[in-house]
Amino acid sequence: EDQVTQSPEALRLQEGESSSLNCSYTVSGLRGLFWYRQDPGKGPEFLFTLYSAGEEKEKERLKATLTKKESFLHITAPKPEDSATYLCAVQARGSGNTGKLIFGQGTTLQVKP
Amino acid sequence: NAGVTQTPKFQVLKTGQSMTLQCAQDMNHNSMYWYRQDPGMGLRLIYYSASEGTTDKGEVPNGYNVSRLNKREFSLRLESAAPSQTSVYFCASSELRVQRGTGELFFGEGSRLTVL
Repeated sequence: EDQVTQSPEALRLQEGESSSLNCSYTVSGLRGLFWYRQDPGKGPEFLFTLYSAGEEKEKERLKATLTKKESFLHITAPKPEDSATYLCAVQARGSGNTGKLIFGQGTTLQVKP
Repeated sequence: NAGVTQTPKFQVLKTGQSMTLQCAQDMNHNSMYWYRQDPGMGLRLIYYSASEGTTDKGEVPNGYNVSRLNKREFSLRLESAAPSQTSVYFCASSELRVQRGTGELFFGEGSRLTVL
C-alpha cells in the first residue's frame, strides 16, 4: 500500500535555528514528490516537485532533497513568517495520468522571534 | 488571477440535509479534484476528474457524488449529510503533463462544513 509519513508532527524553533523536516514514503514506483505549505485557514500552496533521487530544489530559506526512500525539507535560518504546516505528497506510477496525490499528515512548524 | 474558487466558505447542516459545494478554476486546467482534510488524517482524495467528461472515485468516495459541469467547474454533492462528513473540503486543479504525470495541484481556500 502506498504511504507517506511525515516527522516530526510539530516543531518549534527559535528564529535563526536551522532544522529539517522528514517525509518517508513507500510507493509502487515514484512519479513525483511534492512539498506544500499550508497556513491556518488556507489551502495548501505549492513549494517544490522532485522527480528522482539526488534531485534538490531551493526557494529562499527552503531546500528540498530526495532519496529513494525519503525527502527532507531543510529550513535555514528560519523567520517567524515561515511558521506554517508543511505537507508532503507523492504521486505513484500506478496513478497513471490522473494526477492523484497521496498526502502525509504534515509537520506544523512554529518559529519564535 | 482568482485561481481556484470554492463556495460556500462555511456551512452548517443538520443530519440528513443535502448540499452542493461548488468549485471553479480559471487556469484552463484539465484535471480537478476534491479532497477532505481532517485532524490527524491528512488530505484524502474523495473524487477526481482527470479531464472534462470523466470522473473517478478516490480514497473516500462514500456519501458523495460529483459533477464535472464543464472544463472550469467541478461540484461535490452530499446527498444526505452525516456528522462523519464534518470536515474541511478542498478543491484543486492541475495541468496534465503526460510525460511527468501531472503538474502541481493548485488548491482553493477550502469549505468548512459542520454536520450536526
